[in-house]
Amino acid sequence: DGGITQSPKYLFRKEGQNVTLSCEQNLNHDAMYWYRQDPGQGLRLIYYSQIVNDFQKGDIAEGYSVSREKKESFPLTVTSAQKNPTAFYLCASSIAPDQNRETQYFGPGTRLLVL
Amino acid sequence: AQTVTQSQPEMSVQEAETVTLSCTYDTSESDYYLFWYKQPPSRQMILVIRQEAYKQQNATENRFSVNFQKAAKSFSLKISDSQLGDAAMYFCALDSNYQLIWGAGTKLIIKP
Repeated sequence: DGGITQSPKYLFRKEGQNVTLSCEQNLNHDAMYWYRQDPGQGLRLIYYSQIVNDFQKGDIAEGYSVSREKKESFPLTVTSAQKNPTAFYLCASSIAPDQNRETQYFGPGTRLLVL
Repeated sequence: AQTVTQSQPEMSVQEAETVTLSCTYDTSESDYYLFWYKQPPSRQMILVIRQEAYKQQNATENRFSVNFQKAAKSFSLKISDSQLGDAAMYFCALDSNYQLIWGAGTKLIIKP
């Protein structure tokens, strides 16, 4: 089945530790996105990538980093510089960002908690 | 700046009745897309319906329909014959430069 997978479902981070959230898609989509969701708020864009080996910062990129070495994969690293990382993280993809605003499809999310 | 506002933090409806969720937005673009997404307790974000701004006809998907008022910058979602499975957070989103601008969401409660 085609879709987007995120792992792990729950992730615990210690102080000063970097952690990486996985996002994989087999939809052959060009564009991929990372969002952060806090309670009572809508989604906020962290990073997005329109093509392999290229990505752009979203509204809240500080303390996060990404890579896009393969079309299928767009991992997100939460670095120690992100002082308030506790949130729900959603990965999404769309066919291509320059084709009439294609619909974004979402993975099941990762819940990040700080110990 | 482009914004999306959902003024109803929570709504409730009796099962089998109709409910309307409100969304207003602001954009300087003339061609854009609007979306309603549903997030059930599983937290998986699911597309409900999509509207293209240049189309005057309101989008419909089975029991879900929108009332798109371009001049008023309003994009409400109507759910007919509400079912228990419709209970979820509903988010309105505006496409902007290949990103989505999101509202804060409306929690929909279905009363049996």
